[in-house]
Amino acid sequence: EDQVTQSPEALRLQEGESSSLNCSYTVSGLRGLFWYRQDPGKGPEFLFTLYSAGEEKEKERLKATLTKKESFLHITAPKPEDSATYLCAVQWNFNKFYFGSGTKLNVKP
Amino acid sequence: EAQVTQNPRYLITVTGKKLTVTCSQNMNHEYMSWYRQDPGLGLRQIYYSMNVEVTDKGDVPEGYKVSRKEKRNFPLILESPSPNQTSLYFCASSFSGRAYEQYFGPGTRLTVT
Repeated sequence: EDQVTQSPEALRLQEGESSSLNCSYTVSGLRGLFWYRQDPGKGPEFLFTLYSAGEEKEKERLKATLTKKESFLHITAPKPEDSATYLCAVQWNFNKFYFGSGTKLNVKP
Repeated sequence: EAQVTQNPRYLITVTGKKLTVTCSQNMNHEYMSWYRQDPGLGLRQIYYSMNVEVTDKGDVPEGYKVSRKEKRNFPLILESPSPNQTSLYFCASSFSGRAYEQYFGPGTRLTVT
């Protein structure tokens, strides 16, 4: 049973073409939902933490939102340097984490 | 510079030969964790530690051991590696609090033949 599901698996955008990535989760007792960025050959890099439904966080061209069962990462007017794999993770049972398998974003100039 | 370091970065070994992957952080973080990353499966938690001498199993602990004798170090031990442990391994650390914003190391690519 998948606890965290990300879609789409891959997304190709033209520079400036806005879109959204989805993360749905089934765990109960959510303590936090996280978004990370991972570049090839590197470890994930923290982007956002969301705690409760209705919460939103923004950073440059990225905006993360949270509902009761899913989160969205909105990318506004992306640039080629936004190309990376974006990972969603949930913290539950105080100390444990489930990660999704990621969305690989490719932004073409 | 605040960082999580892992060694070695790459390792090729044979079935059954014990190995240790080291992890060290310089941020005085209480929480440390090990993950493996496999294509299509995402990051899966192996073990985690809340503080010195406090460790617990994650989602996929079989075949692995850990210890936390010092706050900064959290080594991952494979006592008898098998080919299904071929993977990319990440160590992470964070402060403990409401939610744990983890800092990740650069990864260790392990191949077991």
